Amino acid sequence: EVQLVESGGGLVQPGRSLKLSCAASGFTFSNYYMAWVRQAPKKGLEWVATISTSGSRTYYPDSVKGRFTISRDNAKSSLYLQMNSLKSEDTATYYCASPGSEDYFDYWGQGVMVTVSS
Amino acid sequence: DTVLTQSPALAVSPGERVSISCRASEGVNSYMHWYQQKPGQQPKLLIYKASNLASGVPARFSGSGSGTDFTLTIDPVEADDTATYFCQQSWNDPTFGAGTKLELK
Repeated sequence: EVQLVESGGGLVQPGRSLKLSCAASGFTFSNYYMAWVRQAPKKGLEWVATISTSGSRTYYPDSVKGRFTISRDNAKSSLYLQMNSLKSEDTATYYCASPGSEDYFDYWGQGVMVTVSS
Repeated sequence: DTVLTQSPALAVSPGERVSISCRASEGVNSYMHWYQQKPGQQPKLLIYKASNLASGVPARFSGSGSGTDFTLTIDPVEADDTATYFCQQSWNDPTFGAGTKLELK
């Protein structure tokens, strides 16, 4: 059974940093692209980042480019999201997800909450 | 960015057929996908590439469309289908619709 378990969320002040982790199991992690998707409270979904199988290629929307960094450790079957210069609008539940070859998200973690507030 | 437009809410009675629409601001070929999200849960993939049923999803769910106009159909609707439904395109950088909240009468 595929499992994606996020951790590392919490309350952080604007301008500070936070690193999220996602532990994957139940599939060959190194064979799959991985992604982060977020959902602000009572809002829709927003794609945040995608990383290739080796980690050599990363993709971001303009809203987080230059502030967020996605990375992975295939030996540990783990995905990460380093978030710097956090803003109040980054407040959201962050989901670890697996985009298939055609970029639909077939597996999702349960999500981790990040609150950016002073 | 490719903007996806969905109706905000629908209300139907159990046993009826419901169609949820999603319109893209530009053509996305067949790269449209649908998700169901219940309160407090993560999204669940229902349909991928416009019309393909995801694994384990009941055949009551179906998808259609291409280009800019897409539809998710549930027939018949069951009480457990109360949820918010999101469309997502992957022809360009992934974007999601704002969601359609389905309520049962």
